[in-house]
Amino acid sequence: EDKVVQSPLSLVVHEGDTVTLNCSYEVTNFRSLLWYKQEKKAPTFLFMLTSSGIEKKSGRLSSILDKKELFSILNITATQTGDSAVYLCAGTYTGTASKLTFGTGTRLQVTL
Amino acid sequence: NAGVTQTPKFRILKIGQSMTLQCAQDMNHNYMYWYRQDPGMGLKLIYYSVGAGITDKGEVPNGYNVSRSTTEDFPLRLELAAPSQTSVYFCASRPLGTDTQYFGPGTRLTVL
Repeated sequence: EDKVVQSPLSLVVHEGDTVTLNCSYEVTNFRSLLWYKQEKKAPTFLFMLTSSGIEKKSGRLSSILDKKELFSILNITATQTGDSAVYLCAGTYTGTASKLTFGTGTRLQVTL
Repeated sequence: NAGVTQTPKFRILKIGQSMTLQCAQDMNHNYMYWYRQDPGMGLKLIYYSVGAGITDKGEVPNGYNVSRSTTEDFPLRLELAAPSQTSVYFCASRPLGTDTQYFGPGTRLTVL
C-alpha cells in the first residue's frame, strides 16, 4: 500500500525563524512528489519534484527530493505569520491517472 | 477563468438523505478527482475520471457515485447519507502533461 508520512505533526515557531518540514514516502512506481499549502480551505500548489537532488525555490520557500532515501524536505526561511497553515505532501506514481497519495500534513503556526 | 468551482459550500443532511455535490472546471482539463478530508487527516481519493465518460474508484468509494458526461462537470452523488460521510469534500482537476492538481474551495458536509 502506498504511504506518505510527514513530520513533525505540528510546529510552533517565532516569526523570523527557519523551519524544515519532512516528508517520507513509499509509493509504488514513484514518479513525483508535490507540496501543497492549506489555509482553512483548498490546498494550493507549491512545488512538484521529480528529480533527485535538484532544489526548487520560490521566494522564502524551497524544497528538495532524495529519491534514493525516499524523502523530501520543505524549507521556509524568515517565517511570517502568513506562513501559518497546514503543509501537505503527496506522492504520485507512473500511470495515466496520476492519483495523489497524501500525508496527514504538518500544521505550522508562526507567532509574533 | 474561474478555475475549479464547487457547490454548495456547506450542507447539513439527515441520515438516509441523498445529495449531489457539484464540481465544474473551465480549464479544459481531462482529469478530475474527488477527495474527502476528515479532521486532522490528509486527503483521501474517492473517485476520479480521466475524461468524459470514464470514471474509476479511488481509495474510499463506498457510499458514493460519480458521472462524467462532459469535460467540465464531475458531480459526486451521496446515496443514503451516513454520519461517517461527515467531511470536507474537495474536487480537483489536472491538465495533461503534469501531475499538479488544482483544487476547488471545498464543500463542508455534516450528516446528523
